[in-house]
Amino acid sequence: GEDVEQSLFLSVREGDSSVINCTYTDSSSTYLYWYKQEPGAGLQLLTYIFSNMDMKQDQRLTVLLNKKDKHLSLRIADTQTGDSAIYFCAESSNSGYALNFGKGTSLLVTP
Amino acid sequence: SQTIHQWPATLVQPVGSPLSLECTVEGTSNPNLYWYRQAAGRGLQLLFYSVGIGQISSEVPQNLSASRPQDRQFILSSKKLLLSDSGFYLCAWRKDNSGNTIYFGEGSWLTVV
Repeated sequence: GEDVEQSLFLSVREGDSSVINCTYTDSSSTYLYWYKQEPGAGLQLLTYIFSNMDMKQDQRLTVLLNKKDKHLSLRIADTQTGDSAIYFCAESSNSGYALNFGKGTSLLVTP
Repeated sequence: SQTIHQWPATLVQPVGSPLSLECTVEGTSNPNLYWYRQAAGRGLQLLFYSVGIGQISSEVPQNLSASRPQDRQFILSSKKLLLSDSGFYLCAWRKDNSGNTIYFGEGSWLTVV
């Protein structure tokens, strides 16, 4: 199947910005998503972007999409300790029934 | 508003025992339903999806099976569990195939001993 790749770990200091990167291979991807998973919990949708957009901002979250390079990023401004979690990138296409997920990036925010 | 629930939240089962995880969705009709498994360090693996009652598609061959006896009920089963079946199982739903978001349940921790 199509691949979604993310780095596995990221550590930042409280108050700094975090940038989590993701690459995908499916050129027919229509929607791209970011999910957050806190320890022992299900996945919570953070935000998503349609493939004809290149940026979406929602409070402290900024999503950037480079469709040519098939690169998606999630920037978290003023990162807090409560942002420590696993962040999953996912993509879907109009022909697909399910989302295709990356392996997740573990974000650790240190005081 | 729509809600999704799955249970049990945690269970410990011996090798060779059966399994039944249940998932229900409220507040919508004819959703797409999914079972994912999250094993340690391996991200999310799609196991089954269903676009309607009695319609099940399997993504990964294994000793698990799924059933959809009612429109908003999705069940994950096994007749004989293996150690490798341990993991975090997530049920999810989606309004349709047009790219709308998938929403997840709380997850079920399965430990096979």
